[in-house]
Amino acid sequence: NAGVTQTPKFQVLKTGQSMTLQCAQDMNHNSMYWYRQDPGMGLRLIYYSASEGTTDKGEVPNGYNVSRLNKREFSLRLESAAPSQTSVYFCASLVRYALNQPQHFGDGTRLSIL
Amino acid sequence: GIQVEQSPPDLILQEGANSTLRCNFSDSVNNLQWFHQNPWGQLINLFYIPSGTKQNGRLSATTVATERYSLLYISSSQTTDSGVYFCAVEAINNNDMRFGAGTRLTVKP
Repeated sequence: NAGVTQTPKFQVLKTGQSMTLQCAQDMNHNSMYWYRQDPGMGLRLIYYSASEGTTDKGEVPNGYNVSRLNKREFSLRLESAAPSQTSVYFCASLVRYALNQPQHFGDGTRLSIL
Repeated sequence: GIQVEQSPPDLILQEGANSTLRCNFSDSVNNLQWFHQNPWGQLINLFYIPSGTKQNGRLSATTVATERYSLLYISSSQTTDSGVYFCAVEAINNNDMRFGAGTRLTVKP
């Protein structure tokens, strides 16, 4: 039972490069989320997808795009990476419209931009 | 968006002590959760508690939705309780889950 799987776990980019972070969940959850966590800080919401086919901006969407490819997968794309995007990125999922709705997290992607 | 404030920001305890962590939020919520981030960075869901009280071993949580706060109680703390505790909330009629800045707990042997 994998839960929420993020790939890659680590990545180093040069300024201006692009890349896509992948996230997949096998729990049949409706909603998926992308957060970033800077050192010593809390998680800030980048984008979320309340259900398949919808995506919405969170607190810090600038510089990012997302795709809800299907119910299982939610990807985050950096079109032109900047040093300010150096962070740990977490993907999460949640089953909506249930009596108990805990959010499940992946182990994170550590991204460094030089 | 909804504002989430956690207190205290840092807490140092001796093993065996009890503690209370607080989460205040600015709007009515339909989802509130407590998480523990361990020293390896993993986020573990402790409670889903938009209202009421729950207990799980040495941990318990209470949310008073009408007064817009939640409390996490840790009793007989152990060194393995160290890490950062986050509160996350989702406002009613909204689907984004927002996190507080966290409480960093250090339990000393």
